[in-house]
Amino acid sequence: GAVVSQHPSWVICKSGTSVKIECRSLDFQATTMFWYRQFPKQSLMLMATSNEGSKATYEQGVEKDKFLINHASLTLSTLTVTSAHPEDSSFYICSAISGSQFFGPGTRLTVL
Amino acid sequence: QKEVEQDPGPLSVPEGAIVSLNCTYSNSAFQYFMWYRQYSRKGPELLMYTYSSGNKEDGRFTAQVDKSSKYISLFIRDSQPSDSATYLCAMRDSGGSNYKLTFGKGTLLTVNP
Repeated sequence: GAVVSQHPSWVICKSGTSVKIECRSLDFQATTMFWYRQFPKQSLMLMATSNEGSKATYEQGVEKDKFLINHASLTLSTLTVTSAHPEDSSFYICSAISGSQFFGPGTRLTVL
Repeated sequence: QKEVEQDPGPLSVPEGAIVSLNCTYSNSAFQYFMWYRQYSRKGPELLMYTYSSGNKEDGRFTAQVDKSSKYISLFIRDSQPSDSATYLCAMRDSGGSNYKLTFGKGTLLTVNP
């Protein structure tokens, strides 16, 4: 299957700072990528759809000014959590389309 | 009623057992059905992908879709300790370029040696 990578795999930051997470499609081009958030023992919650060269589409209830998404190339999408707070601590996972939907390994964000 | 219902378990079985995992759904527009396996603190890994009703087999795994009952299943034969993970069902409709998935909550499976 297609390979999707994420960086970093784990990040700890102080409250009020911003954190950027990268999602890359390694062996294919992806015009569409998705960003999910997963809390412990919960399923994946779609946050936004990232489209190359255009603005992301956010799900209801997701603050677009807080979760900035940039899909600047066909292999890279970034999610920036701005002014992070402890309640933003979660597991963030991206996915990309190559026939089906393939997921990255996830990024664990801990906000102190 | 949620769009996709999945018993969260946990489900604990001995090694070698046949495991049956299930999801029900309410949206008749769903056409594509997937099963993902997720190990702790890892991203989901695509296991099975089926379109419409029917069966699909891949090694020890069999996926079944019954659209008339809005019911999908994943069977694991000769289960192994390495199968211990959370299994997520996911589905989507066939609308154009819409690849948005709707997930079940996931079933936590433990296979005991």
